Amino acid sequence: GAGVSQSPSNKVTEKGKDVELRCDPISGHTALYWYRQSLGQGLEFLIYFQGNSAPDKSGLPSDRFSAERTGGSVSTLTIQRTQQEDSAVYLCASSHSGAGELFFGEGSRLTVL
Amino acid sequence: KNQVEQSPQSLIILEGKNCTLQCNYTVSPFSNLRWYKQDTGRGPVSLTIMTFSENTKSNGRYTATLDADTKQSSLHITASQLSDSASYICVVSAGGSYIPTFGRGTSLIVHP
Repeated sequence: GAGVSQSPSNKVTEKGKDVELRCDPISGHTALYWYRQSLGQGLEFLIYFQGNSAPDKSGLPSDRFSAERTGGSVSTLTIQRTQQEDSAVYLCASSHSGAGELFFGEGSRLTVL
Repeated sequence: KNQVEQSPQSLIILEGKNCTLQCNYTVSPFSNLRWYKQDTGRGPVSLTIMTFSENTKSNGRYTATLDADTKQSSLHITASQLSDSASYICVVSAGGSYIPTFGRGTSLIVHP
């Protein structure tokens, strides 16, 4: 596709359930980022992938959060045993290279009841 | 610690008026600064990039300035339109780092 694609666009889940959020970056972009944006707040860095290098996981808030990037393309962010404070918009961005312009998807809005 | 501070936090103006948003940063070593526009319910979109040697850059009605000595940037919007209502985010990248530092954004509301 022409842009970064994220799915689902909206997800409502019950507390304690696991959720998976998907990101399909722009073709050819080697860098991929996940951010979290709580209501009315700024973007919070979660994790960064660059090519085949080990990801930078320094922003993950707890061990309930994990992410994979298969084949250097599609990425999945997994949140286990969701809590109400996990409710937020999860944004994915890709870049042609690290430190370049970030191209964001429309985000996945997660609501934990 | 790298930080980006934006002001004001929110701003309300009338259509057709001008406004200026501010960004102060302590990111070091400085590589570049970008302004992003985030419409409600959408992902941020880059408006402009400023590098160390650039003082001013325009993109239509948007003009960004950079003072690398004082570590300040501004985004000036001329003849505002209703579609300018959005959050404007200042993002600063450090040399050697692939993880940029985001400001919390300025929420702009343009009233008719």
